[in-house]
Amino acid sequence: DQQVKQNSPSLSVQEGRISILNCDYTNSMFDYFLWYKKYPAEGPTFLISISSIKDKNEDGRFTVFLNKSAKHLSLHIVPSQPGDSAVYFCAAAGNTPLVFGKGTRLSVIA
Amino acid sequence: DGGITQSPKYLFRKEGQNVTLSCEQNLNHDAMYWYRQDPGQGLRLIYYSQIVNDFQKGDIAEGYSVSREKKESFPLTVTSAQKNPTAFYLCASSSKGGQGGTGELFFGEGSRLTVL
Repeated sequence: DQQVKQNSPSLSVQEGRISILNCDYTNSMFDYFLWYKKYPAEGPTFLISISSIKDKNEDGRFTVFLNKSAKHLSLHIVPSQPGDSAVYFCAAAGNTPLVFGKGTRLSVIA
Repeated sequence: DGGITQSPKYLFRKEGQNVTLSCEQNLNHDAMYWYRQDPGQGLRLIYYSQIVNDFQKGDIAEGYSVSREKKESFPLTVTSAQKNPTAFYLCASSSKGGQGGTGELFFGEGSRLTVL
Protein backbone atom coordinates (compact mmCIF):
# COMPACT_ATOMS: atom_id res chain seq x y z
CA ASP A 1 0.00 0.00 0.00
CA GLN A 2 1.62 3.22 -1.17
CA GLN A 3 1.82 5.82 1.56
CA VAL A 4 3.31 8.49 -0.71
CA LYS A 5 1.91 8.83 -4.21
CA GLN A 6 3.11 10.80 -7.18
CA ASN A 7 0.42 10.15 -9.73
CA SER A 8 2.10 11.83 -12.68
CA PRO A 9 5.02 9.74 -14.00
CA SER A 10 6.12 12.54 -16.29
CA LEU A 11 5.65 16.24 -16.99
CA SER A 12 6.82 18.45 -19.84
CA VAL A 13 7.09 22.22 -19.46
CA GLN A 14 8.37 25.03 -21.65
CA GLU A 15 11.46 26.87 -20.45
CA GLY A 16 10.51 29.94 -18.44
CA ARG A 17 7.09 28.59 -17.45
CA ILE A 18 6.03 27.19 -14.09
CA SER A 19 6.46 23.49 -13.27
CA ILE A 20 4.07 22.05 -10.71
CA LEU A 21 4.78 18.60 -9.31
CA ASN A 22 2.20 16.99 -7.05
CA CYS A 23 2.36 14.51 -4.22
CA ASP A 24 -0.31 12.90 -2.02
CA TYR A 25 0.14 10.96 1.20
CA THR A 26 -2.08 8.74 3.27
CA ASN A 27 -0.34 8.49 6.65
CA SER A 28 -1.50 11.26 8.99
CA MET A 29 1.56 10.60 11.20
CA PHE A 30 3.87 12.13 8.61
CA ASP A 31 5.03 15.52 9.88
CA TYR A 32 7.91 16.42 7.60
CA PHE A 33 8.08 16.39 3.83
CA LEU A 34 10.99 16.66 1.43
CA TRP A 35 11.63 16.89 -2.28
CA TYR A 36 14.64 15.29 -3.92
CA LYS A 37 16.00 15.71 -7.42
CA LYS A 38 17.71 12.87 -9.23
CA TYR A 39 19.72 12.67 -12.42
CA PRO A 40 20.31 9.29 -14.14
CA ALA A 41 22.96 7.07 -12.54
CA GLU A 42 23.42 9.50 -9.63
CA GLY A 43 22.16 9.64 -6.07
CA PRO A 44 19.21 11.93 -5.24
CA THR A 45 20.02 15.37 -3.92
CA PHE A 46 17.94 17.25 -1.40
CA LEU A 47 15.98 20.15 -2.83
CA ILE A 48 13.56 21.61 -0.30
CA SER A 49 11.53 20.55 2.72
CA ILE A 50 8.53 21.62 4.75
CA SER A 51 7.37 20.91 8.27
CA SER A 52 3.73 20.11 8.95
CA ILE A 53 3.41 23.29 11.02
CA LYS A 54 3.87 25.36 7.86
CA ASP A 55 1.89 25.57 4.64
CA LYS A 56 4.59 27.10 2.45
CA ASN A 57 8.35 27.13 2.17
CA GLU A 58 10.28 29.01 -0.45
CA ASP A 59 13.89 28.76 -1.62
CA GLY A 60 14.78 30.74 -4.69
CA ARG A 61 12.90 29.34 -7.69
CA PHE A 62 11.49 26.47 -5.63
CA THR A 63 8.39 26.64 -3.43
CA VAL A 64 6.70 23.79 -1.65
CA PHE A 65 3.07 24.05 -0.56
CA LEU A 66 1.45 21.77 1.99
CA ASN A 67 -2.27 21.21 2.40
CA LYS A 68 -2.59 19.02 5.50
CA SER A 69 -6.35 18.64 5.33
CA ALA A 70 -6.07 17.27 1.80
CA LYS A 71 -2.84 15.37 2.57
CA HIS A 72 -1.34 16.97 -0.48
CA LEU A 73 1.84 18.82 -1.25
CA SER A 74 3.19 20.39 -4.39
CA LEU A 75 6.52 21.66 -5.65
CA HIS A 76 6.52 24.77 -7.82
CA ILE A 77 9.52 25.67 -9.94
CA VAL A 78 9.44 29.08 -11.54
CA PRO A 79 10.87 29.91 -13.97
CA SER A 80 11.69 26.41 -15.18
CA GLN A 81 15.11 25.91 -16.74
CA PRO A 82 16.49 23.11 -18.93
CA GLY A 83 18.82 22.09 -16.09
CA ASP A 84 15.75 21.31 -13.98
CA SER A 85 15.09 18.28 -16.18
CA ALA A 86 15.36 15.32 -13.81
CA VAL A 87 13.27 12.92 -11.77
CA TYR A 88 11.74 14.49 -8.67
CA PHE A 89 10.89 12.38 -5.64
CA CYS A 90 8.53 13.38 -2.90
CA ALA A 91 9.37 11.90 0.52
CA ALA A 92 7.63 11.93 3.89
CA ALA A 93 8.85 11.35 7.42
CA GLY A 94 7.22 10.62 10.74
CA ASN A 95 8.66 8.22 13.26
CA THR A 96 10.00 5.90 10.56
CA PRO A 97 12.63 6.27 7.84
CA LEU A 98 11.73 8.39 4.86
CA VAL A 99 9.06 6.98 2.58
CA PHE A 100 9.45 7.92 -1.07
CA GLY A 101 7.00 8.30 -3.91
CA LYS A 102 7.70 6.72 -7.29
CA GLY A 103 8.93 9.98 -8.78
CA THR A 104 7.92 12.35 -11.57
CA ARG A 105 10.18 12.86 -14.56
CA LEU A 106 10.27 16.57 -15.46
CA SER A 107 11.38 17.62 -18.91
CA VAL A 108 11.95 21.33 -19.49
CA ILE A 109 11.90 22.11 -23.17
CA ALA A 110 13.98 25.02 -24.46
CA ASP B 1 35.22 16.71 1.50
CA GLY B 2 32.48 15.13 3.59
CA GLY B 3 30.17 12.71 1.89
CA ILE B 4 29.08 9.18 1.19
CA THR B 5 31.12 6.85 -0.97
CA GLN B 6 29.63 3.79 -2.58
CA SER B 7 31.65 1.17 -4.41
CA PRO B 8 31.76 -0.32 -6.88
CA LYS B 9 29.73 1.91 -9.18
CA TYR B 10 29.02 -0.99 -11.53
CA LEU B 11 29.00 -4.67 -10.63
CA PHE B 12 28.19 -7.80 -12.55
CA ARG B 13 27.29 -11.05 -10.87
CA LYS B 14 26.51 -14.53 -11.99
CA GLU B 15 23.37 -16.15 -10.68
CA GLY B 16 23.95 -17.91 -7.37
CA GLN B 17 26.76 -15.63 -6.23
CA ASN B 18 26.68 -13.34 -3.23
CA VAL B 19 27.99 -9.82 -3.69
CA THR B 20 28.74 -7.07 -1.20
CA LEU B 21 28.24 -3.37 -1.89
CA SER B 22 30.33 -0.96 0.13
CA CYS B 23 29.07 2.26 1.72
CA GLU B 24 31.31 4.59 3.73
CA GLN B 25 30.42 8.01 5.16
CA ASN B 26 32.57 10.65 6.85
CA LEU B 27 29.69 12.91 7.88
CA ASN B 28 29.65 11.55 11.44
CA HIS B 29 26.01 10.56 10.93
CA ASP B 30 24.41 8.09 13.29
CA ALA B 31 21.93 6.58 10.85
CA MET B 32 22.56 4.83 7.55
CA TYR B 33 20.20 3.34 5.00
CA TRP B 34 20.07 1.17 1.91
CA TYR B 35 17.49 1.80 -0.80
CA ARG B 36 16.84 0.05 -4.05
CA GLN B 37 15.62 1.82 -7.17
CA ASP B 38 13.86 0.04 -10.00
CA PRO B 39 12.32 1.75 -13.04
CA GLY B 40 8.90 3.13 -12.12
CA GLN B 41 9.22 1.92 -8.52
CA GLY B 42 10.82 4.85 -6.78
CA LEU B 43 13.10 4.19 -3.82
CA ARG B 44 12.33 1.24 -1.60
CA LEU B 45 13.98 0.75 1.78
CA ILE B 46 16.00 -2.46 2.24
CA TYR B 47 17.67 -2.03 5.65
CA TYR B 48 18.55 0.79 7.97
CA SER B 49 20.72 1.28 11.02
CA GLN B 50 20.28 3.91 13.70
CA ILE B 51 23.42 3.12 15.71
CA VAL B 52 26.45 0.87 15.56
CA ASN B 53 25.77 -2.85 15.99
CA ASP B 54 22.05 -2.39 15.39
CA PHE B 55 19.94 -2.49 12.23
CA GLN B 56 16.34 -3.02 11.18
CA LYS B 57 14.63 -4.49 8.14
CA GLY B 58 12.98 -2.18 5.71
CA ASP B 59 10.18 -2.96 3.28
CA ILE B 60 12.12 -5.34 1.02
CA ALA B 61 14.79 -6.99 3.21
CA GLU B 62 14.38 -10.55 1.93
CA GLY B 63 17.53 -11.80 0.18
CA TYR B 64 19.73 -9.07 1.67
CA SER B 65 21.96 -8.79 4.73
CA VAL B 66 23.84 -5.92 6.36
CA SER B 67 26.27 -5.23 9.18
CA ARG B 68 27.13 -2.09 11.14
CA GLU B 69 30.37 -2.74 12.95
CA LYS B 70 31.60 0.83 12.53
CA LYS B 71 29.75 4.13 12.53
CA GLU B 72 31.10 5.11 9.14
CA SER B 73 30.45 1.82 7.32
CA PHE B 74 27.24 -0.01 6.33
CA PRO B 75 27.92 -2.74 3.74
CA LEU B 76 25.04 -4.50 1.97
CA THR B 77 25.28 -8.13 0.85
CA VAL B 78 23.00 -9.24 -1.94
CA THR B 79 22.62 -12.97 -1.45
CA SER B 80 21.68 -15.68 -3.89
CA ALA B 81 18.28 -15.78 -2.18
CA GLN B 82 17.37 -12.43 -3.72
CA LYS B 83 15.27 -13.43 -6.73
CA ASN B 84 15.57 -10.25 -8.75
CA PRO B 85 18.77 -8.47 -7.71
CA THR B 86 19.41 -6.41 -10.85
CA ALA B 87 18.81 -2.83 -9.72
CA PHE B 88 20.36 0.49 -8.75
CA TYR B 89 21.32 0.50 -5.06
CA LEU B 90 21.56 3.70 -3.05
CA CYS B 91 23.15 4.19 0.34
CA ALA B 92 22.24 7.18 2.48
CA SER B 93 22.91 8.63 5.90
CA SER B 94 21.28 11.11 8.23
CA SER B 95 22.10 12.78 11.49
CA LYS B 96 18.84 11.61 13.05
CA GLY B 97 18.58 7.89 13.47
CA GLY B 98 15.58 6.07 12.07
CA GLN B 99 13.51 9.07 11.13
CA GLY B 100 13.53 11.97 8.76
CA GLY B 101 13.26 14.45 11.59
CA THR B 102 14.44 17.88 10.63
CA GLY B 103 17.38 16.58 8.64
CA GLU B 104 17.46 15.19 5.18
CA LEU B 105 19.11 12.06 3.89
CA PHE B 106 22.41 12.41 2.12
CA PHE B 107 22.85 9.90 -0.68
CA GLY B 108 25.82 8.28 -2.29
CA GLU B 109 26.24 8.07 -6.06
CA GLY B 110 24.75 4.59 -6.22
CA SER B 111 25.87 1.14 -7.34
CA ARG B 112 24.34 -0.60 -10.33
CA LEU B 113 24.21 -4.36 -9.96
CA THR B 114 23.53 -6.53 -12.99
CA VAL B 115 22.99 -10.27 -12.71
CA LEU B 116 24.09 -12.17 -15.79
